[in-house]
Amino acid sequence: SQQGEEDPQALSIQEGENATMNCSYKTSINNLQWYRQNSGRGLVHLILIRSNEREKHSGRLRVTLDTSKKSSSLLITASRAADTASYFCALRREGTPLVFGKGTRLSVIA
Amino acid sequence: GAGVSQSPSNKVTEKGKDVELRCDPISGHTALYWYRQSLGQGLEFLIYFQGNSAPDKSGLPSDRFSAERTGGSVSTLTIQRTQQEDSAVYLCASSQLGATGELFFGEGSRLTVL
Repeated sequence: SQQGEEDPQALSIQEGENATMNCSYKTSINNLQWYRQNSGRGLVHLILIRSNEREKHSGRLRVTLDTSKKSSSLLITASRAADTASYFCALRREGTPLVFGKGTRLSVIA
Repeated sequence: GAGVSQSPSNKVTEKGKDVELRCDPISGHTALYWYRQSLGQGLEFLIYFQGNSAPDKSGLPSDRFSAERTGGSVSTLTIQRTQQEDSAVYLCASSQLGATGELFFGEGSRLTVL
């Protein structure tokens, strides 16, 4: 499969806790991207990590990439109810369209 | 507008009818994608336009689906003889050539085939 696979499929946490979502893949990549989708809306780009990078931060988001294990993780720290959404990883390979996984549905309970 | 614009936002049609969905990408973006998302599912790639290159149609599920991009800007996705299984949200996205590959998405067109 050329798409990433997110794990878990669904995650429910209390406000203030950290949320960790994982993405595993099987092919070589140029970069890996994480997107967020609120219910009934389009997707919003969160963060991109290149294949030669191991970790990136953006606000409360932390993304890691382990190319030897072909896996990435998205950590949201100090979660808020407004973080409730679906989160998708997407794989970028040279000359091919961006391929999305099935997503993780995150529920943050106030 | 500054973002990707899709129309209509909602479309209800009868089985067997043809539908056209429109996408206005961000000005200057040379890459344009169409994806389909069924209820509660991930994104299914349909077609990809990159500059003046031939489009990548590898994701189109059947020959009832077609898309064109006129003048390197506006794109229309056409579904002929719609079936109930075509019901989904059709998402359009654009990106800049040679950039990081970040996609900018529209809000989608929700298609319901009765």
